[in-house]
Amino acid sequence: AQSVTQLGSHVSVSEGALVLLRCNYSSSVPPYLFWYVQYPNQGLQLLLKYTSAATLVKGINGFEAEFKKSETSFHLTKPSAHMSDAAEYFCAVSERNAGNMLTFGGGTRLMVKP
Amino acid sequence: GAGVSQSPSNKVTEKGKDVELRCDPISGHTALYWYRQSLGQGLEFLIYFQGNSAPDKSGLPSDRFSAERTGGSVSTLTIQRTQQEDSAVYLCASSKEGSGGYNEQFFGPGTRLTVL
Repeated sequence: AQSVTQLGSHVSVSEGALVLLRCNYSSSVPPYLFWYVQYPNQGLQLLLKYTSAATLVKGINGFEAEFKKSETSFHLTKPSAHMSDAAEYFCAVSERNAGNMLTFGGGTRLMVKP
Repeated sequence: GAGVSQSPSNKVTEKGKDVELRCDPISGHTALYWYRQSLGQGLEFLIYFQGNSAPDKSGLPSDRFSAERTGGSVSTLTIQRTQQEDSAVYLCASSKEGSGGYNEQFFGPGTRLTVL
């Protein structure tokens, strides 16, 4: 079974600082990988996804993530944090050719200090 | 166009009562999913519908949980004899097709269920 680990349930950065949210997955076959963001009292919104094209994926709001097969990682980064980035971020995977359901990591709450 | 909608947005019920949660997917989306988000368990898959195929119920936590999808569109998640551990936010998502595992799932705002 797939599993997803997000290191750090809470991450705090200063406005303008680099954002790095970590995600590692367990699978013998590289899955499809996703990052979702959840703002307070809202549903999940897709930031970006990896589906075996370029390993560096660019998403909305200036976020990007790099798929590293050797490290089974898909870390999310943004060069300069903005106050509006404060939210909860979820990494998720779906297995290739094995159904479409998402397996989520535990989430990382990003706090941005002025 | 309209996104995924869910109703009610909040539901408070007493232990032992049955509840029904509704999801209206995006028009034209053939795949529909239910997830549960709770403090203790995080985000968990519950059930998945794809077109006219039999649903994948592998995530349902007990036989008190059931779901149906009528006419390939609206879905209802039913929880019978609710327990306090059922308290959570129930999220519905839809996508254009279910095969392949790479299509974006669009999520609704969720129904917050509180069992007293």
